[in-house]
Amino acid sequence: DAKTTQPPSMDCAEGRAANLPCNHSTISGNEYVYWYRQIHSQGPQYIIHGLKNNETNEMASLIITEDRKSSTLILPHATLRDTAVYYCIVRPSRTASKLTFGTGTRLQVTL
Amino acid sequence: DTEVTQTPKHLVMGMTNKKSLKCEQHMGHRAMYWYKQKAKKPPELMFVYSYEKLSINESVPSRFSPECPNSSLLNLHLHALQPEDSALYLCASSQESPRRVGGGYEQYFGPGTRLTVT
Repeated sequence: DAKTTQPPSMDCAEGRAANLPCNHSTISGNEYVYWYRQIHSQGPQYIIHGLKNNETNEMASLIITEDRKSSTLILPHATLRDTAVYYCIVRPSRTASKLTFGTGTRLQVTL
Repeated sequence: DTEVTQTPKHLVMGMTNKKSLKCEQHMGHRAMYWYKQKAKKPPELMFVYSYEKLSINESVPSRFSPECPNSSLLNLHLHALQPEDSALYLCASSQESPRRVGGGYEQYFGPGTRLTVT
């Protein structure tokens, strides 16, 4: 699986958009970008995934660059409950297989 | 129902004990996973079951023994553990094949069992 690089930590004011970047310069053509988050002492939670088009769901938006070497997860109106470690993971989607978690970004949402 | 349940929530065991962790899902998922997470580290895969058969073993020591008795249940049997095995043990499940183009395989995680080996 392609390796990902994320900043170790970020801060965001409540109500503002949180933009979390991820670099995956070695991504291959059949690999998807997945985002999960882990709130303290809970299991990881799936957020969103995409291949090359931008994606949006009720939780977040995912913007993938045209060359697919990087992506940004956007939480449009961050709340205190969004404080968590966010993991960007690249993996093929053809079979059920392991998730290889990197170190992630610790997002702290503040008042 | 998108819930994965795990029992117990907390477990303290001695190095000579035998115990089991249990995981259950009722989403019709045919792939189930065990992950181990040490403090302040990301989760690491231990085992994958696909259609009740072990498909991936990430070179886990034999003191951890997984079992998938049916498509809804996943167990992790523990025996002769070491203090360094203390961690959060996470279970997850997912579909085995996508139900829509570009979809599938998102894993749903349980809350974990926090294991302490004394």
